[in-house]
Amino acid sequence: GQSLEQPSEVTAVEGAIVQINCTYQTSGFYGLSWYQQHDGGAPTFLSYNALDGLEETGRFSSFLSRSDSYGYLLLQELQMKDSASYFCAVSGNTGKLIFGQGTTLQVKP
Amino acid sequence: GAVVSQHPSRVICKSGTSVKIECRSLDFQATTMFWYRQFPKQSLMLMATSNEGSKATYEQGVEKDKFLINHASLTLSTLTVTSAHPEDSSFYICSASKGAENEQFFGPGTRLTVL
Repeated sequence: GQSLEQPSEVTAVEGAIVQINCTYQTSGFYGLSWYQQHDGGAPTFLSYNALDGLEETGRFSSFLSRSDSYGYLLLQELQMKDSASYFCAVSGNTGKLIFGQGTTLQVKP
Repeated sequence: GAVVSQHPSRVICKSGTSVKIECRSLDFQATTMFWYRQFPKQSLMLMATSNEGSKATYEQGVEKDKFLINHASLTLSTLTVTSAHPEDSSFYICSASKGAENEQFFGPGTRLTVL
C-alpha cells in the first residue's frame, strides 16, 4: 500500500521560515509533489522532486531524499497569504497522485 | 498554459436525483483525467482515473455504478453522481494530465450539497 505522513498543523509568524516534513511509503515511486490549497479552493501545484536534492522556486523550496523516503517543503519570508493547507503527494508509474492528509499552516502577524 | 475548468462550481440537489459534473481541459489535450473527492478538513481522495475512449479505473471502495465517469474526448470528462444522498455531499475536484509529465492540473472544484 501507500501512505504518507505530514504534521497536521503548523503555526508561524510573518517573516519566519517554516519547514513541513513528509515521509512516505510506496512502491514504484516516481516523485514527490507539493500542493497548496486555500479554504474553498482547489489545490495549486507548488513543486515536484524526482531526484534527491533541493529545488528552489522563489520563497518556496522542496527537498527530497529517496533513500530516506522523506521530503520537505520550506517556506521562507512567510506572508499572511501563505496561510493554507499544504499537501505532499507521491506519484508512481500509473500517473496517479496519492495525497497526504495535509498540513494546515497558520501565519500570525 | 494548462487550464482546467469544472462546471458547475456549486450544485444543490434533492436526495435521489442525479448530478453531472463536467471537467474540461481548455488549452491542452488531456490523455488522462482524475476525479477526487474531498470532505471538509480532509485530504483529496482519488476516486477514479479516466482515459479517453476507455472505461475508467476506480479506486477500491468507490462504487462504479454510483459514480459514472465518461471520458468522451481528450478535453472532456464527466462525473455523474447517481441517486445522490446527503452523504455524497462533498467537494469534487478533477485534474488532467498531459501524459508523460507527472504534473496534474486541477480544476476549481464542484461543491455538491445533497438535501
